[in-house]
Amino acid sequence: QKEVEQDPGPLSVPEGAIVSLNCTYSNSAFQYFMWYRQYSRKGPELLMYTYSSGNKEDGRFTAQVDKSSKYISLFIRDSQPSDSATYLCAMSRTTGGTSYGKLTFGQGTILTVHP
Amino acid sequence: DVKVTQSSRYLVKRTGEKVFLECVQDMDHENMFWYRQDPGLGLRLIYFSYDVKMKEKGDIPEGYSVSREKKERFSLILESASTNQTSMYLCASRGPFFSETQYFGPGTRLLVL
Repeated sequence: QKEVEQDPGPLSVPEGAIVSLNCTYSNSAFQYFMWYRQYSRKGPELLMYTYSSGNKEDGRFTAQVDKSSKYISLFIRDSQPSDSATYLCAMSRTTGGTSYGKLTFGQGTILTVHP
Repeated sequence: DVKVTQSSRYLVKRTGEKVFLECVQDMDHENMFWYRQDPGLGLRLIYFSYDVKMKEKGDIPEGYSVSREKKERFSLILESASTNQTSMYLCASRGPFFSETQYFGPGTRLLVL
């Protein structure tokens, strides 16, 4: 079983829809949770970052972390064609008080938003 | 703005060739990483480095080695390329030790024939 599971999709939605992207994980040591967005033929870029459980909002994007269920989500409101990309969840743990920032990624979800 | 550059965007090599992929970051970051990205498998960590000349194996180090002689530069070496190393290779660097953010380069798409 992979440490981090993410539905690869693809996911296709009309413009203006609310998009929900999810990841589950098995290792309770994960404390830092991230969402990266990757446009075609580009490297991933950080979209959202949360530490431990809770919600974080940034414009049309909301990241949720539920550590008790080992489940994280990214919501996109009023989705736009420019949101079409691959979305990768990623998480890391603290190792012996010093984190080298090693990330474990989900498989990525391909999202297409149609005009 | 953090900039991570990779030496090539596309590379075609033959089986058995030695391949060098180079990554340079301009933000004086301590930690640098090499990943490969394959459809359905996401990003998998090959090697990382937490300081000059220091390296640690990631999840899939077999068939690869790395070199970090200068802080800004991290090289991935395929000693004898094989067709199953055809992939997208991504380099990343990480900010100050209290930051979990990794900054990625644009990637090198490697085809081994």
